[in-house]
Amino acid sequence: QVQLQESGPGLVKPSETLSLTCTVSGGSISSDNYFWGWIRQPPGKGLESIGSLFYVGTTYYNPSLKSRVTISVDTSKNQFSLNLSSLTAADTAVYYCARLPRHWLDSTWTYYFDYWGQGTLVTVST
Amino acid sequence: QSVLTQSPSVSAAPGQKVTISCSGSSSNIGNNYVSWYQQLPGTAPKLLIYENNKRPSGIPDRFSGSKSGTSATLGITGLQTGDEADYYCGTWDSSLSAHWVFGGGTKLTVL
Repeated sequence: QVQLQESGPGLVKPSETLSLTCTVSGGSISSDNYFWGWIRQPPGKGLESIGSLFYVGTTYYNPSLKSRVTISVDTSKNQFSLNLSSLTAADTAVYYCARLPRHWLDSTWTYYFDYWGQGTLVTVST
Repeated sequence: QSVLTQSPSVSAAPGQKVTISCSGSSSNIGNNYVSWYQQLPGTAPKLLIYENNKRPSGIPDRFSGSKSGTSATLGITGLQTGDEADYYCGTWDSSLSAHWVFGGGTKLTVL
């Protein structure tokens, strides 16, 4: 059974950079069959995709966050990470990491989030 | 403002059927597969439907999905009080900056 666990600070100051890590257990991050992603959810609001990554380093970012986001992978530790810079109060949210299986079906790739971490609350405040 | 549009809320009585819609465009729903997620209060989202209409192991057949053109629909029959949750649609957006997109979510109330 695949498990994902987010780790990182619960409180960060405005203008600083948030660094979160997702540790994957029960499966290899270095698989051709999966992307790995970060999603966030501000208190009382909906889900927002931050970006996703393939283990060789290919990344896809939400255009609204692209200028501030870096997602990277450490295959030796079976982890992937999120860096989000220039933080403001609007970045306060529960941050989730998740796995995206990918399949070639009917001449296109299909993706979906099948396993999620429990989420970690990050508060941006002085 | 979410790329995919969902009604904010829907309600129905126990035992009844409800549908939740998700509207997008040709760059997302129109040319990609849709998945649906259930989020119970205080928990991480859970995959309900993938590839438009497939259910993961353990998801009861009371839950169904369909897609037509640039819209998708989640159906839930035999409503139970435990189904009260937020439901989100999601898909890949193949625009110039390809990325994953979610709907704004629909709050299901079982009266």
